[in-house]
Amino acid sequence: KQEVTQIPAALSVPEGENLVLNCSFTDSAIYNLQWFRQDPGKGLTSLLLIQSSQREQTSGRLNASLDKSSGRSTLYIAASQPGDSATYLCAVTDYKLSFGAGTTVTVRA
Amino acid sequence: NAGVTQTPKFRILKIGQSMTLQCAQDMNHNYMYWYRQDPGMGLKLIYYSVGAGITDKGEVPNGYNVSRSTTEDFPLRLELAAPSQTSVYFCASSPTLGGGAGTDTQYFGPGTRLTVL
Repeated sequence: KQEVTQIPAALSVPEGENLVLNCSFTDSAIYNLQWFRQDPGKGLTSLLLIQSSQREQTSGRLNASLDKSSGRSTLYIAASQPGDSATYLCAVTDYKLSFGAGTTVTVRA
Repeated sequence: NAGVTQTPKFRILKIGQSMTLQCAQDMNHNYMYWYRQDPGMGLKLIYYSVGAGITDKGEVPNGYNVSRSTTEDFPLRLELAAPSQTSVYFCASSPTLGGGAGTDTQYFGPGTRLTVL
């Protein structure tokens, strides 16, 4: 059974600092890994999707890496802004999405 | 494109009551999913559907039922509500299964916050 773990559970940084969010998973037989953003009271929005054959994906200030053999992914957010405050969820896909519990980020102005 | 819509946004039920959570998508996706999210936890899959008339259980199906009579709609039924079903329920859809072996992601609705007292 796939287990997805995200550390830390919460993070508070001053504006402008870089963010590093970690995700680990137990079964490396995945199709892809995704990072989602969840705002309070809202649904999930996909940020980045990394296929199992890829090592990283980038979108603007966001960069996600994937090391399938060690069961790890890292999401980097450069030059954080207060608007980046949200919960970030990692999910891996086999026949379904298995989610981590998320990292709640607060960026202080 | 409205994407994935869910109704109601909030609901309070008494123990033993029944209700149906509605979900609709207008993207012509074959695959649809129901998740629940408990505080401080990740999302857990309740049921999913690979097309009209075809549904299957996820990780936590007990206490729920689904049907899929059309491509657009995927309602979730709670028959005898219990306090353990207090949660936020998300519906999602995707062009391919599980978000895809390729590049497809799942699209999520805004959620229904359910409290059972």
